[in-house]
Amino acid sequence: KAGVTQTPRYLIKTRGQQVTLSCSPISGHRSVSWYQQTPGQGLQFLFEYFSETQRNKGNFPGRFSGRQFSNSRSEMNVSTLELGDSALYLCASSLGGIAGEETQYFGPGTRLLVL
Amino acid sequence: GESVGLHLPTLSVQEGDNSIINCAYSNSASDYFIWYKQESGKGPQFIIDIRSNMDKRQGQRVTVLLNKTVKHLSLQIAATQPGDSAVYFCAEVHLGNMLTFGGGTRLMVKP
Repeated sequence: KAGVTQTPRYLIKTRGQQVTLSCSPISGHRSVSWYQQTPGQGLQFLFEYFSETQRNKGNFPGRFSGRQFSNSRSEMNVSTLELGDSALYLCASSLGGIAGEETQYFGPGTRLLVL
Repeated sequence: GESVGLHLPTLSVQEGDNSIINCAYSNSASDYFIWYKQESGKGPQFIIDIRSNMDKRQGQRVTVLLNKTVKHLSLQIAATQPGDSAVYFCAEVHLGNMLTFGGGTRLMVKP
């Protein structure tokens, strides 16, 4: 079974631009979560999607948004990029239960550099 | 969520020795915990998990211990190998599939 895939793997943007990142979950997984990883803040939860609906959201500004498609693939978008948005963006997938007892499997991440 | 610092603690061990990585968690109501391993340039990789109704769980060369009284987790790696060199994170799983990660520990294995 293929793992979580993310595209692109690397991206360079300039301040003020917007960016869209893509994630394909493990086959059969319906929940997709996004995380931001930086040296200063570590791994932080952005949001989670299930059945095309945002089910949970972290403490990030509205510039960060996402969506999920009917095939469970997900995209996240960051508008008006700031230097501080430079990070590794990780996508994780799981089956989709909400009981808080699910293993999430991560993709390799998209490394975003904002200049 | 738990805040993390700029500096990753580092554990340096000799190949073949046992490693113990510790983690403190914040939410006493958490029911499920996961240890992840992250190698340079890769996403976190699932190692082992434990539920709050257990004190100990063993996998292949790894053991996780949970002490709910002091809100502490540990990951023990037996016969540490160079391929174990990575950053290790503990994570609490919250309702709604949200993970809260610890700050991470860098494990360096000396040959």
